[in-house]
Amino acid sequence: GEDVEQSLFLSVREGDSSVINCTYTDSSSTYLYWYKQEPGAGLQLLTYIFSNMDMKQDQRLTVLLNKKDKHLSLRIADTQTGDSAIYFCAQPPGRRALTFGSGTRLQVQP
Amino acid sequence: DSGVTQTPKHLITATGQRVTLRCSPRSGDLSVYWYQQSLDQGLQFLIQYYNGEERAKGNILERFSAQQFPDLHSELNLSSLELGDSALYFCASSFFDRPSGLNIQYFGAGTRLSVL
Repeated sequence: GEDVEQSLFLSVREGDSSVINCTYTDSSSTYLYWYKQEPGAGLQLLTYIFSNMDMKQDQRLTVLLNKKDKHLSLRIADTQTGDSAIYFCAQPPGRRALTFGSGTRLQVQP
Repeated sequence: DSGVTQTPKHLITATGQRVTLRCSPRSGDLSVYWYQQSLDQGLQFLIQYYNGEERAKGNILERFSAQQFPDLHSELNLSSLELGDSALYFCASSFFDRPSGLNIQYFGAGTRLSVL
């Protein structure tokens, strides 16, 4: 199947690191993506990782990919209240349209 | 701003009615995707068009149809609406970089459909 799974909720304090986890079943995707959805808004691409990479860093964002376990994570350093949103991991199985996880709602406490 | 425009932002209609949602992709993007986001089903792919032709189908009901016009804008038609069709409908456009395999989808702000 083409399932992507995420935990539903994460609460952190401002300034802490957030780690959002995702597992997927289809290993054929060349890239895996993280999208962010703020209330009332569409999905915004945050970052992506090529499937032959283990890690990608982009300012406060770090993506880790464990292909053996089919596990993807997104770490947000120095989390701010503006980071409160729903985060989706997504993959395009076989270059088709994106299959999204259920989304993880990140709540940042001041 | 993603460059993808969806209209209208909100639609309120009654069961049994038909509505049309419109999407204008980013300049130069040939692919348009439609997704449905609902509380119980999450984000689900409905259908994809590439340069005017249907490319892939997802969980799209037979009551729903779409098309992409020569100017590349797309419309999603929803008919015989039911209460369960109430959802956010997103359009995305993309440019596929064949050598690298990178296919970034840019999403519009969505159309919120309420069926009463």
